[in-house]
Amino acid sequence: SYELTQPPSVSVSPGQTARITCSGDALPKQYAYWYQQKPGQAPVVVIYKDIERPSGIPERFSGSSSGTTVTLTISGVQAEDEADYYCQSADSSGTYVVFGGGTKLTVL
Amino acid sequence: QVQLQQWGAGLLKPSETLSRTCAVYGGSFSDYYWSWIRQPPGKGLEWIGEINHSGSTNYNPSLKSRVTISVDTSKNQFSLKLTSVTAADTAVYYCARTLFGSSGHHFDDWGRGTLVTVSS
Repeated sequence: SYELTQPPSVSVSPGQTARITCSGDALPKQYAYWYQQKPGQAPVVVIYKDIERPSGIPERFSGSSSGTTVTLTISGVQAEDEADYYCQSADSSGTYVVFGGGTKLTVL
Repeated sequence: QVQLQQWGAGLLKPSETLSRTCAVYGGSFSDYYWSWIRQPPGKGLEWIGEINHSGSTNYNPSLKSRVTISVDTSKNQFSLKLTSVTAADTAVYYCARTLFGSSGHHFDDWGRGTLVTVSS
């Protein structure tokens, strides 16, 4: 079955830049999406279609794509950005959704 | 802004059938797919499957043999049935609005999750 691979954890100090990667063989063909999930809350999309940012999401959140890897970048990390981040995409057919295992972002 | 509200039993015994319904308030029901997603305690997200207003479904291959998702367009509701549950099915269950098409395949609005526990 198709899988997306994320690092389990990333730690940064406030004001630094956090980068969270997500790798998958179908990513060159299928869009990637990034969700932020805080404890006890439903996920919220912070990046869609690889690089697009929904309205209301701070500009410090950005996405990029290169080959089989997509990256969520948070510039000037703030304490409120501490959360779990999940990448999501679809298999090569586009039909079946898959999530990455999630990355816990810790703001030191 | 769409609101999604779900209900169903929160405690099940092994081998029983999990049943949940999600009602959609606001927005267009027929323009979207509607998904179920779950998250075991302390673990990651798992897509269960989706349905559109016409009843067209897609299921996670790993759950397909036990899952049925149905729709009631007269009430703007969709439902999940998961048979033969075990402790591994204990999770927070979410319903979500799904964009599937030229915009890719993702979830732009989520309901509040509900914990379903399977225990003897």
